[in-house]
Amino acid sequence: DIQMTQSPSSLSASVGDRVSITCRASQLISIYLNWYQQKPGKAPRLLIYATSTLQTGVPSRFSGSGSGRDFTLTISSLQPEDFATYYCQQTFSMPGTFGQGSKVEIK
Amino acid sequence: QVQLQESGPGLVKPSETLSLTCSVSGASVSSGSNYWSWIRQSPGKGLEWIGHTDGSRTTTYNPSLKSRVSISVDTSKDHFSLELRSATAADTAVYYCARVNVSSWYFLDYWGQGIVVTVSS
Repeated sequence: DIQMTQSPSSLSASVGDRVSITCRASQLISIYLNWYQQKPGKAPRLLIYATSTLQTGVPSRFSGSGSGRDFTLTISSLQPEDFATYYCQQTFSMPGTFGQGSKVEIK
Repeated sequence: QVQLQESGPGLVKPSETLSLTCSVSGASVSSGSNYWSWIRQSPGKGLEWIGHTDGSRTTTYNPSLKSRVSISVDTSKDHFSLELRSATAADTAVYYCARVNVSSWYFLDYWGQGIVVTVSS
């Protein structure tokens, strides 16, 4: 299986901050990388697929970049509703493995 | 609007079979334009992809579960199901069903709300 490693595991930030989360794959995955947001007690919500394509309805302050093994999710100006846990998922090969999550907390 | 809803027992005894159903509305499980997947989440292992069906007889499973898992489709009722045999405490988790968009890529675009399943005597 392809291992996905996210960093940081958690971070504290303020409203308006620029936040970046990275995801590293254990092998090359082209751009087969998705990002999800999860709030407590809720199902994950798709934010970005194919590394950089925003899902319909996702605010433009979210962006994704990368290719190969290294990927980044960026929130350009953190909003109160963005405090959540973020997961990457590779779908280059099955099983589609997830990162361990990065929790964004209020500073 | 596509909606998915998991249902099934919240408590399963060790060694028994964990059986869940996902009811789909706003889309057809047999259309062939999407896959249908199960994912679980436990504190110890995070998010784990269990497998998917293409809405017919083709399924793909996580190798770590392949010997114990089955995903099937009931097209007449527009739902799909998960069976996990010989359950142990390690199978305790929140189980989600989701639609897989495979139009050009592979991503989980609609999720059910999740169902908590505990394996315990």
